[in-house]
Amino acid sequence: TQLLEQSPQFLSIQEGENLTVYCNSSSVFSSLQWYRQEPGEGPVLLVTVVTGGEVKKLKRLTFQFGDARKDSSLHITAAQPGDTGLYLCAGDSSGTYKYIFGTGTRLKVLA
Amino acid sequence: GAVVSQHPSRVICKSGTSVKIECRSLDFQATTMFWYRQFPKQSLMLMATSNEGSKATYEQGVEKDKFLINHASLTLSTLTVTSAHPEDSSFYICSAAAPRASEAFFGQGTRLTVV
Repeated sequence: TQLLEQSPQFLSIQEGENLTVYCNSSSVFSSLQWYRQEPGEGPVLLVTVVTGGEVKKLKRLTFQFGDARKDSSLHITAAQPGDTGLYLCAGDSSGTYKYIFGTGTRLKVLA
Repeated sequence: GAVVSQHPSRVICKSGTSVKIECRSLDFQATTMFWYRQFPKQSLMLMATSNEGSKATYEQGVEKDKFLINHASLTLSTLTVTSAHPEDSSFYICSAAAPRASEAFFGQGTRLTVV
């Protein structure tokens, strides 16, 4: 069974701080997605990474895909209260859009 | 991005009854859709792959006779929870990928509460 472990599980930080969320697996993925989910809503796509070593930036968010395509990280710079939410990584091992989701990281940014 | 819509967004049903959840791709055709379940404070767990015109493929541990999936058209998949019990209460989410897309898009989810 493929597993995607995220760390940390929970994170509570002050506005303006930086943070990194990790997504690790022993499996190789053809692509990896990062989503943010608000309570009672479906996950919203933040980014897709497909190439080993790839780095993508989305404003204050930086995403990196590991060289071996087994792990990924999400770094948020100068976190804001609006960044509060559940962050999920999701891996696609076969290119079929059949995703295995990570265990999730619940982020709370305090004003 | 492509739009995937679920209906209803919330449903409450009595124990022992069945409830149907719809997943529609609004601006594209999807030969494959996926159904996930999310319990409170947990991540999404894949339940099954819905294939247009053929039988769904279920993940290990998911009862195919309890969670009936029908994908009769290229824009609609339905999940029917049969003989629902309180432990079936959960957030059900579907996804679909548009042709030539690099990722799947998710519906807004359906909150099922069985009383």
